[in-house]
Amino acid sequence: SQTIHQWPATLVQPVGSPLSLECTVEGTSNPNLYWYRQAAGRGLQLLFYSIGIDQISSEVPQNLSASRPQDRQFILSSKKLLLSDSGFYLCAWNIRGGGSRNQYFGPGTRLLVL
Amino acid sequence: GIQVEQSPPDLILQEGANSTLRCNFSDSVNNLQWFHQNPWGQLINLFYIPSGTKQNGRLSATTVATERYSLLYISSSQTTDSGVYFCAVDNAGNNRKLIWGLGTSLAVNP
Repeated sequence: SQTIHQWPATLVQPVGSPLSLECTVEGTSNPNLYWYRQAAGRGLQLLFYSIGIDQISSEVPQNLSASRPQDRQFILSSKKLLLSDSGFYLCAWNIRGGGSRNQYFGPGTRLLVL
Repeated sequence: GIQVEQSPPDLILQEGANSTLRCNFSDSVNNLQWFHQNPWGQLINLFYIPSGTKQNGRLSATTVATERYSLLYISSSQTTDSGVYFCAVDNAGNNRKLIWGLGTSLAVNP
């Protein structure tokens, strides 16, 4: 069966520090991968999605970037965190060719920027 | 872009009660999903339902695509049903992006 992992689960970082959040998927190949941010516990905003290695689409201009160095690894990064980057970050996957349907979510990372 | 509105924003139930959650969307869609986010943040797919009716245990969903709404029914609610219920739709040409409603926050009291 497929499993999606995210780490760390919780992170407290000072403003201006770098960020690296990792997401990996097991039990499937060639997935679509997604990074979402959820602020204030309501509504999800799509940040990035990827249909393959080194193929990243950015949905909103922001202080963040994403990379996909391996088929089942998706990394969210920042060179200098802002207070507004605080939130709950969720990684998701679905079957390539399945469009947007049946996305499966990881457990998330709670980021607090102070 | 397409707008997704969910109602009610908040709901409090006694265990055993039934409820109906609504999702309205402003344009035709080719994908509509219902998700449940538990109090620990984990998001779980409930239904993929761009049209028609589906049932899974105490939960069922109906989407009337021509009238641009979907309903999620919860029967005989349990405390474990607590959390936030999201509706998400997709009508983009590249068919990869979900547009999310703001959710209905449900609290089921024992």
